[in-house]
Amino acid sequence: GDSVTQMEGPVTLSEEAFLTINCTYTATGYPSLFWYVQYPGEGLQLLLKATKADDKGSNKGFEATYRKETTSFHLEKGSVQVSDSAVYFCALSDLQRLRLSGSRLTFGEGTQLTVNP
Amino acid sequence: DSGVTQTPKHLITATGQRVTLRCSPRSGDLSVYWYQQSLDQGLQFLIQYYNGEERAKGNILERFSAQQFPDLHSELNLSSLELGDSALYFCASSALGGVYNEQFFGPGTRLTVL
Repeated sequence: GDSVTQMEGPVTLSEEAFLTINCTYTATGYPSLFWYVQYPGEGLQLLLKATKADDKGSNKGFEATYRKETTSFHLEKGSVQVSDSAVYFCALSDLQRLRLSGSRLTFGEGTQLTVNP
Repeated sequence: DSGVTQTPKHLITATGQRVTLRCSPRSGDLSVYWYQQSLDQGLQFLIQYYNGEERAKGNILERFSAQQFPDLHSELNLSSLELGDSALYFCASSALGGVYNEQFFGPGTRLTVL
């Protein structure tokens, strides 16, 4: 079945450091890819998405490019802030090959990011 | 604020009991999804409803059931609860059931089974 693998955390950085969180996926179809962020005590928020190969999703200084050849969707940010401290989830969405179609999200394990001042 | 509401925020109960979690989707969204987030299993898809009908099913236990009502709110029923059911349960909604539609998540219900 579909799966998403994220780099192990936690990740601790100083403010203004460069961030990369690796994400690779396995899917039988042609998935859409997402990064969600979860701040302490809150639900998940969509950070960015990409729906086809070579698409670049971007939002709030974060970027990720859909790489079909390496089945990857790594999250990057050039200069992190303390307010970026959160858990980041890579996810994919693909239509089920069943009589009842759906669009479940399959999530990676999550990566805890802590940014120190 | 995503526009998705979930009640209650916290629930503490005992093993063997039955609970109901409620979700109201964003105005106009027809699809509702339920996810379970636990330390050992991570975030897992449970079930999806679209306009009142079950659309997709994930790793949902037989002790769990869900439904979506005509006003589009959804309830997740968990019965014969076990310690391992303690988790954060999220509801999400989207406008349609397709691949490209963004899912908006509620704040979650934290279930503790003692």
